[in-house]
Amino acid sequence: QSALTQPASVSGSPGQSITISCTGTSSDVGDYNYVSWYQQHPGKAPKLMIYEVSNRPSGVSDRFSGSKSGNTASLTISGLQSEDEADYYCSSYTSSYIVIFGGGTKLTVL
Amino acid sequence: QVQLQESGPGLVKPSQTLSLACTVSGDSSSSGGYYWSWIRQHPGKGLEWIGCIYYSGSTYYNPSLKSRVTISADTSKNQFSLKLSSVTAADTAVYYCARGPPLVFDAFNIWGQGTVVTVSS
Repeated sequence: QSALTQPASVSGSPGQSITISCTGTSSDVGDYNYVSWYQQHPGKAPKLMIYEVSNRPSGVSDRFSGSKSGNTASLTISGLQSEDEADYYCSSYTSSYIVIFGGGTKLTVL
Repeated sequence: QVQLQESGPGLVKPSQTLSLACTVSGDSSSSGGYYWSWIRQHPGKGLEWIGCIYYSGSTYYNPSLKSRVTISADTSKNQFSLKLSSVTAADTAVYYCARGPPLVFDAFNIWGQGTVVTVSS
């Protein structure tokens, strides 16, 4: 199983919206609605932001939303804030009880 | 509130076995319906799922590590553990234990703080 593909970096200004893509295959992202997104600040453990493509855990801002089309999942952050600056990782369930992650995307808030 | 805490040696010699424990507080590691996972992050790199153990004792491993990994649980200590054999410098990473919502295999909403393991002679 290969890692999911994410852009290395994205950027946006405060108040804007950005979208991070996560591309897999028909064996993972395309075949299951089990895509998650994590936010990681430097030196900290990852934080779950989205699970099952578009579900937000309790306490996560509704500025974060997830979607999927075919083999590509997306995380959208609206109303960008300085504290959103972090690394973001997607993950997907694959067949035979395996989880794979994307390579990560560094979000810079300009 | 459930909390996880990793523990174990921060330095392991090449070819030896890396052993880490994750202590669960605020819940039981034998609580029904949960998958207890290990995830690692190489320096400056992305996340890699190592594997997990279900409360029933069933284990699931990353195929790339399967031949070297054992995950087990000790309910008397409220811990679950990771053993990775024949380590090399490529196993140097931050190791996290994590858990997801009930019956969820692939998402992790509770994480330990992570422990740095360096493989070096």
